Amino acid sequence: EVQLVESGGGLVKPGGSLRISCAASGFSFSNDWMSWVRQAPGKGLEWVGRIKSKTDGGTTDYAAPVKGRFTISRDDSKNTLYLQMNSLKTEDTAVYYCSTLLAIPGIDVWGQGTTVTVSS
Amino acid sequence: DVVMTQSPLSLPVTLGQPASISCRSSQSLVYSDGNTYLNWFQQRPGQSPRRLIYKVSNRDSGVPDRFSGSGSGTDFTLKISRVEAEDVGVYYCMQAIQWPLYAFGQGTKLEIK
Repeated sequence: EVQLVESGGGLVKPGGSLRISCAASGFSFSNDWMSWVRQAPGKGLEWVGRIKSKTDGGTTDYAAPVKGRFTISRDDSKNTLYLQMNSLKTEDTAVYYCSTLLAIPGIDVWGQGTTVTVSS
Repeated sequence: DVVMTQSPLSLPVTLGQPASISCRSSQSLVYSDGNTYLNWFQQRPGQSPRRLIYKVSNRDSGVPDRFSGSGSGTDFTLKISRVEAEDVGVYYCMQAIQWPLYAFGQGTKLEIK
């Protein structure tokens, strides 16, 4: 079964750090470009960042609100995607989804999401 | 940066009736390869998003044929020919070629009258 499972969400104070993970199974994770997308409570979807496959350079891109604070990485040996979040702000409170976010033919996969709450 | 604008933001529909959602981008979504990278997603209450349509008009596997996508350049439409109860949720368009790399519309909430 094709699956993405996020974990590691929780409550963190403003200015704090948190790393969330996304475990992939059932598809060739190492070949896929992967994204993080977030959804603040009661709001719409917001793209956070993307990492290319190692064969395509493994480079990352980030949305303006998180650039310089968030870092995406991947461990293809563990089929796992990571999002390291530093200098967290209350406005980073959201459900964080990992996804293949495909724009081309293929199976577009989304995880169930993990909730990050930034509050004092 | 490209901005995606959907309308309406709320869409009450009677069961069995058609529904239409508009999505406009502030810049052309035609890529240099000639393709237009515009997706539609459905997010049912309490669920993760699910892609319905890619490259304007191509339905994903398992998506009922009552869903169709159309449009070109900067103007796009998602149509549901006959709304069913399971179609309740929020629908998003998303572009994948202009910066920011992926930009979503605000979402259109479809509900049953």
